[in-house]
Amino acid sequence: DGGITQSPKYLFRKEGQNVTLSCEQNLNHDAMYWYRQDPGQGLRLIYYSQIVNDFQKGDIAEGYSVSREKKESFPLTVTSAQKNPTAFYLCASSTLTPRGQETQYFGPGTRLLVL
Amino acid sequence: AQSVTQLDSQVPVFEEAPVELRCNYSSSVSVYLFWYVQYPNQGLQLLLKYLSGSTLVESINGFEAEFNKSQTSFHLRKPSVHISDTAEYFCAVSGGSNYKLTFGKGTLLTVNP
Repeated sequence: DGGITQSPKYLFRKEGQNVTLSCEQNLNHDAMYWYRQDPGQGLRLIYYSQIVNDFQKGDIAEGYSVSREKKESFPLTVTSAQKNPTAFYLCASSTLTPRGQETQYFGPGTRLLVL
Repeated sequence: AQSVTQLDSQVPVFEEAPVELRCNYSSSVSVYLFWYVQYPNQGLQLLLKYLSGSTLVESINGFEAEFNKSQTSFHLRKPSVHISDTAEYFCAVSGGSNYKLTFGKGTLLTVNP
């Protein structure tokens, strides 16, 4: 089955700890994205990557870091600098089209909670 | 810059009633419009999209949306809802060359028996 997997489903972070959320896709998509979802806020873009070894900041990148060493994988690290990390994190992927027509496909999400 | 406004944060309806979820957008370039649905504790699923051509687009489960350029709207409608349609619905817009998808804040549709 083609799709996007995210792990773990739930993640607990202690004060001052960095945690890494996994995102893998086998859709052969070039682009991958990380969003943060808070109740009543919709989805906000954290980082995105259009090609291996390259990525760009989204609207709320502070306190987060990413890497894109393989086409299939786009892990997100929530650092200790992110003071309010409790949220639902969604990974997505898409092909790339010349005029932004691509459809983004989403993983099942990871819920991050602070202890 | 692009923005999306979903005019209702919550819409309660009775089963078999019609429903309209409203979405307005602003953009300085040609737009592509999407509706996604999210069931509790799950990711987003694409419901339907407008890229070009006919301004009325339909999904396989009875939803439809109409792109209205003059009113900058992309409202989602269903003539008769089911309990299973209870979910949060997100309108989104993309366009231009920056590959960014801008989401509205979502509308929670609750279908009551």
